[in-house]
Amino acid sequence: IAGITQAPTSQILAAGRRMTLRCTQDMRHNAMYWYRQDLGLGLRLIHYSNTAGTTGKGEVPDGYSVSRANTDDFPLTLASAVPSQTSVYFCASSLAGGFTDTQYFGPGTRLTVL
Amino acid sequence: DAKTTQPNSMESNEEEPVHLPCNHSTISGTDYIHWYRQLPSQGPEYVIHGLTSNVNNRMASLAIAEDRKSSTLILHRATLRDAAVYYCILRDEGTGTASKLTFGTGTRLQVTL
Repeated sequence: IAGITQAPTSQILAAGRRMTLRCTQDMRHNAMYWYRQDLGLGLRLIHYSNTAGTTGKGEVPDGYSVSRANTDDFPLTLASAVPSQTSVYFCASSLAGGFTDTQYFGPGTRLTVL
Repeated sequence: DAKTTQPNSMESNEEEPVHLPCNHSTISGTDYIHWYRQLPSQGPEYVIHGLTSNVNNRMASLAIAEDRKSSTLILHRATLRDAAVYYCILRDEGTGTASKLTFGTGTRLQVTL
């Protein structure tokens, strides 16, 4: 079982370019999440999805969009990247999204916007 | 989410127990206490969670104060592989956004030989 996979592992991107970070899970989890982690700080939630077909905004959603067409995939899109979006991005999933639910995290995507 | 306070860093010798404290003086009655850890260059991983009673699992123990305003994550025998940032997080069952984790800056644990 792979768990959660993210692609690419790292990317250097010119400002203004469009970029989609991919996230796939094979655990049949209902809920999925995108976090960003800036250097020396904790993770902050960008967007989440409690089930396929639904999405919600987290703490820092501006400049990002997500879609949840099926259970397994939860791509994160930067429509027009800016340098402040330089960060490490983590995708996570959990079975049901409840308050005792365990979240499982992917290995992260390191994104640099120049 | 209620706020948690953790020391920025702690050190431990290998094979010794480690007690990682967390203060959450504004905790509500429905807040669960969760601990995650993040090893270098990896995503966070779940460690343990509890509500009122002390909890044990294969990774650690969680000791919760009787008034629930503080808790302690206990690693019984620290190894070099336990060097990580440990996050104490409160999750409220009473809100529609209860599925989200709110990370602080955590405690960086260094383990030495």
